[in-house]
Amino acid sequence: AQSVAQPEDQVNVAEGNPLTVKCTYSVSGNPYLFWYVQYPNRGLQFLLKYITGDNLVKGSYGFEAEFNKSQTSFHLKKPSALVSDSALYFCAVRDRRDDKIIFGKGTRLHILP
Amino acid sequence: GAGVSQSPSNKVTEKGKDVELRCDPISGHTALYWYRQSLGQGLEFLIYFQGNSAPDKSGLPSDRFSAERTGGSVSTLTIQRTQQEDSAVYLCASSNRLAGHNEQFFGPGTRLTVL
Repeated sequence: AQSVAQPEDQVNVAEGNPLTVKCTYSVSGNPYLFWYVQYPNRGLQFLLKYITGDNLVKGSYGFEAEFNKSQTSFHLKKPSALVSDSALYFCAVRDRRDDKIIFGKGTRLHILP
Repeated sequence: GAGVSQSPSNKVTEKGKDVELRCDPISGHTALYWYRQSLGQGLEFLIYFQGNSAPDKSGLPSDRFSAERTGGSVSTLTIQRTQQEDSAVYLCASSNRLAGHNEQFFGPGTRLTVL
């Protein structure tokens, strides 16, 4: 069965600094990997996905993530954080053999002005 | 509308009562998912439907929970004899894997409060 770990409940970053939100996964086959963001009092929004090809994936709002097969990681990154990036971020994994998508527990990102 | 819709947006019920939560997926999306979001617990997978295949019910926490999807479209999540620990936001999502769109589109959720 697939699983996702987000080891940090909360990450604090100063505005303008680079940010990283960590995600590791476990899946039997090759994974599809996703990041979603949840702003306060709003639904989950898709940020980016890794399906195949380039290990570095670029997504919405200047975010990117790097698929690392050997480390089974898919960390979310942004070169320069904005206060408006403050939100709850979820990593998710899907085994290519079925449609079940499992989410991590989420990481709350605080960007400090 | 173009997005996933859920109703009701809020539901307050008494312990022991049954509740039904509804999800209208995006038209044409073949896959439909239910998740539960509790404070500090992240997104807990409950069940998913894919086309006419048998649903994957592996995430349902007890036999008080059930879901159906009629006509490959609208889905209803039913919780019988609700308990206080069922209080959470219940999220529905749909996707269209057959069209190559692997990402899910989420509804706004139903906030369930069991008194």
